[in-house]
Amino acid sequence: ETGVTQTPRHLVMGMTNKKSLKCEQHLGHNAMYWYKQSAKKPLELMFVYNFKEQTENNSVPSRFSPECPNSSHLFLHLHTLQPEDSALYLCASSQEGGLYNSPLHFGNGTRLTVT
Amino acid sequence: AQTVTQSQPEMSVQEAETVTLSCTYDTSESDYYLFWYKQPPSRQMILVIRQEAYKQQNATENRFSVNFQKAAKSFSLKISDSQLGDAAMYFCAYREGSQGNLIFGKGTKLSVKP
Repeated sequence: ETGVTQTPRHLVMGMTNKKSLKCEQHLGHNAMYWYKQSAKKPLELMFVYNFKEQTENNSVPSRFSPECPNSSHLFLHLHTLQPEDSALYLCASSQEGGLYNSPLHFGNGTRLTVT
Repeated sequence: AQTVTQSQPEMSVQEAETVTLSCTYDTSESDYYLFWYKQPPSRQMILVIRQEAYKQQNATENRFSVNFQKAAKSFSLKISDSQLGDAAMYFCAYREGSQGNLIFGKGTKLSVKP
């Protein structure tokens, strides 16, 4: 049990498909994140949700659509993706606000391949 | 903009030996946090150690310690008594103050030889 669970672990989709990535955190945190990890590049922050409100959209193309129905769940809806979107997508959570901000806790990621 | 640089794409260490991974960062801020994360083949990013910039004392977690040189903007990770399970990608990360987002370096792949 990692505290942050991502499903599916692997996903292969065509460019015309619609799919969703799911993330669930069991840590009682109030902030959740989507990161994209491509080969030989630093992790790229995509979206941040704080208390279910989106506080960051790091110039992500509209073919990626996040959804945060509550502070424990985060989705990334995918549609009409491009092959260059193939990457490892990592979800993370943290506790924000107050005197102490926790480090980010990550899930195991979803390996996405766009064909 | 803040940047994090890891100049060693790959490193190798003999089991039981010590290895140091380098990290430098660029910022004009005085209040920030630095982190080292480990990413084994399981892909989960695991926090190894963190350092608050206002603390002069170097952080230590068991076999892991850092050499934090604030003036030089350097934050290296030392792994003592290396174990096979230490083999992983190691990422250095920077966070501005208490509200900023994490900025990662490109990572260093560490191999441990038996």
